[in-house]
Amino acid sequence: AQSVTQPDIHITVSEGASLELRCNYSYGATPYLFWYVQSPGQGLQLLLKYFSGDTLVQGIKGFEAEFKRSQSSFNLRKPSVHWSDAAEYFCAVPNQAGTALIFGKGTTLSVSS
Amino acid sequence: DTAVSQTPKYLVTQMGNDKSIKCEQNLGHDTMYWYKQDSKKFLKIMFSYNNKELIINETVPNRFSPKSPDKAHLNLHINSLELGDSAVYFCASSQVASGLSTDTQYFGPGTRLTVL
Repeated sequence: AQSVTQPDIHITVSEGASLELRCNYSYGATPYLFWYVQSPGQGLQLLLKYFSGDTLVQGIKGFEAEFKRSQSSFNLRKPSVHWSDAAEYFCAVPNQAGTALIFGKGTTLSVSS
Repeated sequence: DTAVSQTPKYLVTQMGNDKSIKCEQNLGHDTMYWYKQDSKKFLKIMFSYNNKELIINETVPNRFSPKSPDKAHLNLHINSLELGDSAVYFCASSQVASGLSTDTQYFGPGTRLTVL
């Protein structure tokens, strides 16, 4: 069955430092993979998505993610974190029927000055 | 212009009451969803509608009844509210006409329901 694991519940990064948020997936075929961000008190916004092709995907707000089939991973990266990046980050895959998203439990990102 | 809107933003009510949450999207999408986010921020699909037809009904108590009067609206009615219903409820929509969830989903701002 499709599933997503985000191993890190909470990460704190200094402003200006690089960031990597981990996501591991379990999926029957070539996966569709998504990263969403939820700012405090807000709904979710799509950062980026992978369907096929180039395994390095560029997203909004300077984020990128790399699909690694051998590691069943789709980690999110940003070279220099800004204080406004503090939020909850969710990795997601479609369910088996493709009719809804299955979300990971999220990683809370805190940014220190 | 708000793409996916929900009302109300906050809802505080007593156990046993019946309440509704409304959702509207102006994106022209064919598929709409309701998700529940619990106190640990875990997001889980509740319902999915494609062109007013129910696609998904996850293991949700039948006290929860979605209603889609047209493809731009998906309302959530909850009967006999319980303490465990306290959560943030998110509406979302996506363009995919077939109801498949491989397309980007656009989320509303959420409705925080507190049952006392």
